[in-house]
This record gives sequence, structure tokens and C-alpha cells, in this order.
Amino acid sequence: GAVVSQHPSWVICKSGTSVKIECRSLDFQATTMFWYRQFPKQSLMLMATSNEGSKATYEQGVEKDKFLINHASLTLSTLTVTSAHPEDSSFYICSAYRDRGLADTQYFGPGTRLTVL
Amino acid sequence: GDSVTQMEGPVTLSEEAFLTINCTYTATGYPSLFWYVQYPGEGLQLLLKATKADDKGSNKGFEATYRKETTSFHLEKGSVQVSDSAVYFCALDPGSARQLTFGSGTQLTVLP
Repeated sequence: GAVVSQHPSWVICKSGTSVKIECRSLDFQATTMFWYRQFPKQSLMLMATSNEGSKATYEQGVEKDKFLINHASLTLSTLTVTSAHPEDSSFYICSAYRDRGLADTQYFGPGTRLTVL
Repeated sequence: GDSVTQMEGPVTLSEEAFLTINCTYTATGYPSLFWYVQYPGEGLQLLLKATKADDKGSNKGFEATYRKETTSFHLEKGSVQVSDSAVYFCALDPGSARQLTFGSGTQLTVLP
């Protein structure tokens, strides 16, 4: 099956610093990737839709300037949490959309655990 | 808007018991329906899917049938194993924006 990787798998940073999380589709090209946030024991909350070569589309309530998304190639999207604060600590999951007609679906990365001290 | 309602957990079963996790949805049009599984500390894995009414998705002994008349996509397994312990998410894709709408997730614990 299709593989999506995320790096790093976990990161601890100090308040006020920026953190970049990478999402890669390893064996297919993805024009669309999604970024989700998951709080403990809760469902996934869609943060933004990342489209290759264009600006990301953010969901209501998600700060564009805080969560910078760059989809620079068909296999890579990055999420940068700028000036991170403890309330940004969460599990961030990306997914890549594989367009295969009726067989299309999203493939999820393993997630990145961010802890802001 | 679109929504997915899942049976609240947690669900605790003994090994080899029968599992049902209920999922109902609200959507316009004809969405695709999915079950994802999340093991501790990991991302989501697609378990099974169905793209049209009366389709049955199946994988690893799990099954779910797309019931348009009852707007449901209940997950079932005849005999659960300890290794099935995880969180299960029902989700729908309306097909236009490629965005998934997730249910709240159901924690399943299978005891030996």
C-alpha cells in the first residue's frame, strides 16, 4: 500500500521557538495533503488543506500565521508551528490524497508528537 | 453540514467475542465511507472502505456494509483478538473536496 512518512516522530521545544514538521508521500505523488491535529483521546481536527504549488486552505479558527504550510513538491508538505507555546502541544497528523479514481483515498502519516515547554 | 456519529466508548471485550461499533452519518449526495484504526502512539491506518450503497468493505476479519436507507456503516468482527485493541474512527468523504469528516472515535480494549 501507499506510504506516508512524517518527520520528526516527536519533538520537544522551548516556548517561543519554531518547529517544522515534514510530511512525505514515499511512493506516489500527492497534489493534495491534509494536516490534522489530535488532542488526547479525541478525534482528528482538520487544520488545513495543502495543495501543491498554491496556498493552503485553512479551516475556520486556525491561525494562518501561526501554522505555516508549504507544499513545495508533489511528495512533500511541511507544517511550521511558529512561536510555539504550550497550548500548541499536540499530536499532528498529515495525510496525502492519492487520486486513483474510484480507488482514491487518503493515506495517513504516523503522526508527530509536539511538546512545547 | 456533513457529520459522523459513532458509538461512544470505551468498549471492553473478551478475546473471541463479537464486536459491533455503530456508525451513522449525515451527508448530502453519495459519500464514500471509511473505517480507520489507530494503534497507540501511531497515525491512522485505513481498515476498510465502501464507495456506494450496499457495498461491503472487509479487511482482517472486519466488515462494514454501506446502508443508505439507515445511513449507517457499522463495523463488525466475529471474533476479536487482543491485537485488535485500538481506537476506531468512522469517516466519510463527500467526494467533492476530498476532505474527510471523522467520528469521535471508539476505544476498543480486548482482554485475554
